[in-house]
Amino acid sequence: EAQVTQNPRYLITVTGKKLTVTCSQNMNHEYMSWYRQDPGLGLRQIYYSMNVEVTDKGDVPEGYKVSRKEKRNFPLILESPSPNQTSLYFCASSLYGGRTSNQPQHFGDGTRLSIL
Amino acid sequence: AQTVTQSQPEMSVQEAETVTLSCTYDTSESDYYLFWYKQPPSRQMILVIRQEAYKQQNATENRFSVNFQKAAKSFSLKISDSQLGDAAMYFCASRVPEKLVFGKGTKLTVNP
Repeated sequence: EAQVTQNPRYLITVTGKKLTVTCSQNMNHEYMSWYRQDPGLGLRQIYYSMNVEVTDKGDVPEGYKVSRKEKRNFPLILESPSPNQTSLYFCASSLYGGRTSNQPQHFGDGTRLSIL
Repeated sequence: AQTVTQSQPEMSVQEAETVTLSCTYDTSESDYYLFWYKQPPSRQMILVIRQEAYKQQNATENRFSVNFQKAAKSFSLKISDSQLGDAAMYFCASRVPEKLVFGKGTKLTVNP
């Protein structure tokens, strides 16, 4: 089954304790992206990757890191989490990014992070 | 910068009736793509319908259709014969090369 898999689904942690949210897709997609969803703000992009070893900042990258060593995986790293990073996070992928891309993005089921 | 505006934070509809959700966008691109996503309480993001800006014909998917007015930069979603399972948050989104730009969403309630 074609899917984007995120783990964990839920996490409660404390300020400053490094954490990683994993994202994996099995569709051989080149493009992957991370979004955060906050009430009243919709979804905002954190980081994206057009292909392996190519990553770039989105609209709200502060406090986050990513890597794209393999095509299928795109982990989101919070090296020193803070309470303002409490949010619902989504990983998404599509076959291509770029100017001519009309493919919809496929989303994972979301990760609810609570940072105390 | 690309912006997407959904002016209706909440809407309600009676089961079996029709409802229209509004969306306007601003873009400097000549070629772009527009989407409606549904987010039910399970919080999954589910693609409802998409529209290529170069196509004049409005997209349709079963009970879902759009009214795409390119000159007015308007992209509304019409849901016909509303069902209880249509209750969800609906997000309008515009695709630019590196990302989707989302509106803030409209919460749709379907009354039995």
